[in-house]
Formats: sequence, structure tokens, C-alpha cells
Amino acid sequence: QKEVEQDPGPLSVPEGAIVSLNCTYSNSAFQYFMWYRQYSRKGPELLMYTYSSGNKEDGRFTAQVDKSSKYISLFIRDSQPSDSATYLCAMSAVTGRRALTFGSGTRLQVQP
Amino acid sequence: GAVVSQHPSRVICKSGTSVKIECRSLDFQATTMFWYRQFPKKSLMLMATSNEGSKATYEQGVEKDKFLINHASLTLSTLTVTSAHPEDSSFYICSASAASSYEQYFGPGTRLTVT
Repeated sequence: QKEVEQDPGPLSVPEGAIVSLNCTYSNSAFQYFMWYRQYSRKGPELLMYTYSSGNKEDGRFTAQVDKSSKYISLFIRDSQPSDSATYLCAMSAVTGRRALTFGSGTRLQVQP
Repeated sequence: GAVVSQHPSRVICKSGTSVKIECRSLDFQATTMFWYRQFPKKSLMLMATSNEGSKATYEQGVEKDKFLINHASLTLSTLTVTSAHPEDSSFYICSASAASSYEQYFGPGTRLTVT
């Protein structure tokens, strides 16, 4: 079993839809949770960063962490064609090398 | 957000030669830098972690003598692929993290093609 599971998609939605992206994990030591967006042939861009459980909102993006269920989500409101990309969840434990463990990424396509 | 650059963005080299890739944090001091490799339509695979002034820590299965990492300053890390072979062709991405921070900021990546 992988430490972090993420549905690879592709996920296709119409413009304006609410998108829900999710990851589950098995390592209870993970405390820091991040979402990255990666366009083709580019480096990942940090979208959201949360510590422990709870919600965080930034513009059209909302990140949720439920540590009791080992489940994290990223919601995108009013999705735009420019949101079409691969979304990677990543997480890290408090101790150790601070290395990130990534999900496999979900490819999102927003249709105009 | 913080800015990380990589150079070159793409490089083509002949088998047996060495290639150096630079990773720079432009607007913050990166005490830790990470090097990843990414295959097409796959997630990032961590190769090594480097702390400024220290030897890099390599992940299992990554050859230290083949992938030389130097982190000589708080803004620069280099990855040298020595004696490159076609199977080393890949997308190499670095990331940088400031002291006491778990956020990693990624560079734009370097596409290496070994012919």
C-alpha cells in the first residue's frame, strides 16, 4: 500500500463547476499538508499549505484536512479552463528530513 | 510566493558526458534543497536532500557517485549527472525550503535528454 493515495483521473468538469480533489494517507506522523498544481513540462506550484486538521481558504481554493480519517481535500470553486493541470497532494512529518511524500497526482480538465 | 530558478531548462548531451544543473533560490535563503526526478505522467521521485554546507542524503537506490549534489551556499545547489546514459533522460526538478519551514518551492525543472 502506498503511503499516499490519489486518484489519477483524468477528472473532466465544465467551466464554473466546483472541483473536489482528494488524497488519503496511512502515516499518522504526517502533520503538514500541501497542494501543488503542475502544468505540463513545468515545476509544481504551491497552492495551499495547512498544518494539522482544519480548513484553509484562499480565493477560489479551500483545503481541508481530517487527520482522524487520514483524508485531505482541495476544493476549487468557479473552475476555469486555466485550472486544467495536474494537482499533487504532498505531506510531511514534523520530525526527520522534512522531505515531502507526494500523491501520484490528479489530472484535471476544465472544459470551456 | 518564493521564487526558485533552474538552469538550464533543457539540455541534450551525448552518452558518457557529464551535465550540471543549477538550482537557485532568488528571494530567500534555502537551508535545505531537494532534488527530484519525474517520468512522464508520473509523480515526483525524491532523489536526495541537501543541507547547506553538508553532504547530501540520498534516497535508497540513487547512486551517489552518479548524481553528485553540492549545496555550497544558501541560494545555490547543483546536481551533476556524471557519465550520463540514455536511461538518465528525464525531467529533473529542484525545490528549496527555508529554515524551520516545511513548505517547498519548486524550480521550473530541467529536461535532460541523453543521446
